[in-house]
Amino acid sequence: SQTIHQWPATLVQPVGSPLSLECTVEGTSNPNLYWYRQAAGRGLQLLFYSVGIGQISSEVPQNLSASRPQDRQFILSSKKLLLSDSGFYLCAWSVGVSEQPQHFGDGTRLSIL
Amino acid sequence: GESVGLHLPTLSVQEGDNSIINCAYSNSASDYFIWYKQESGKGPQFIIDIRSNMDKRQGQRVTVLLNKTVKHLSLQIAATQPGDSAVYFCAENIYDYKLSFGAGTTVTVRA
Repeated sequence: SQTIHQWPATLVQPVGSPLSLECTVEGTSNPNLYWYRQAAGRGLQLLFYSVGIGQISSEVPQNLSASRPQDRQFILSSKKLLLSDSGFYLCAWSVGVSEQPQHFGDGTRLSIL
Repeated sequence: GESVGLHLPTLSVQEGDNSIINCAYSNSASDYFIWYKQESGKGPQFIIDIRSNMDKRQGQRVTVLLNKTVKHLSLQIAATQPGDSAVYFCAENIYDYKLSFGAGTTVTVRA
């Protein structure tokens, strides 16, 4: 069966520091991969998605970037974190055809001080 | 703004009763819908989905109803249990592989 792993589960970072969040998927190949951010008490905002290695689509302009160095690895990065980058970051995968559900990891709680 | 919304932000239900969670969507071209359950500190968990060529789909203790005429989606949970307490999100496939999520309904089950 397929599994998705995100780490770390929680992270506290100072303003201006860099960020790297990792997500890996097991048990499938050529998945679509997604990064979301969830503000407290809100729905999910799509940040990036990828349909293949090296292919990244950005949904909102922001201080973050994403990369997909391997088929089942998705990385969310920042060179300099802002206070507004605090939130709950979720990675998800889906099979690469339409009308299929996305499956989520357990997220990273990021706090910026 | 969000194209998918929920009618009520909170729902309190007695254990053993049935729950109904509602969702309105605005994009009449949407063809695929999903319900997710999110427990505190965890990622959303897939519950059930429905395609636009259907108006009803049943799973284990859950039923999703789709009314395309009024762009309304609902999730019914039968015999609600304490473990059903969570935030429930509807999501709409807006185009390609992208989902648009509502703000969520918090369901609290009373013992």
